[in-house]
Amino acid sequence: GAGVSQTPSNKVTEKGKYVELRCDPISGHTALYWYRQSLGQGPEFLIYFQGTGAADDSGLPNDRFFAVRPEGSVSTLKIQRTERGDSAVYLCASSKMFASGANVLTFGAGSRLTVL
Amino acid sequence: TQLLEQSPQFLSIQEGENLTVYCNSSSVFSSLQWYRQEPGEGPVLLVTVVTGGEVKKLKRLTFQFGDARKDSSLHITAAQPGDTGLYLCAGAKGYQKVTFGIGTKLQVIP
Repeated sequence: GAGVSQTPSNKVTEKGKYVELRCDPISGHTALYWYRQSLGQGPEFLIYFQGTGAADDSGLPNDRFFAVRPEGSVSTLKIQRTERGDSAVYLCASSKMFASGANVLTFGAGSRLTVL
Repeated sequence: TQLLEQSPQFLSIQEGENLTVYCNSSSVFSSLQWYRQEPGEGPVLLVTVVTGGEVKKLKRLTFQFGDARKDSSLHITAAQPGDTGLYLCAGAKGYQKVTFGIGTKLQVIP
């Protein structure tokens, strides 16, 4: 597609349940990022991929969070045993590197997760 | 610890006024970007600056990258209600993770 697509756009779940959030990046973008954003705050880095491998997962808050990108395109963020504090908008972005050295991100609209 | 500090965090001004938003860091970045985000949407890129001292203009918006590539500013002239939104600065070091500031929430009152 022309842009970054994220599904679902909204997810309401109960505490303790398992959740998967999907991101379909721009074709040809090798890097893919996941961020978490609370209301009125800037995006908080979670993890980014170069191709199929996680190049930096230092932002994942704990071992309940995991992300994969098995074929270097679509990525899935997985959250186990969800907690109320996991409620946030989860943003995905893909990027390409310009000759100038700028790494420019294109974001999806986000997946709003609410844990009851 | 916030790698990128933005100030002010909140700004409410009258239509037609000028404003400046600051983004500061102790780290050197290879590029710095400004994004604007509206409710329910992802951030949208406004500009990228890569050279120390660089100044870029986008209509009524002027962006400057500090000489040492550690800080940046966004100046808006004659603000319009359509400028309302969350303004985010983001720093990148090569093809590594992109780190965002906390954001500046701007409200322009007609």
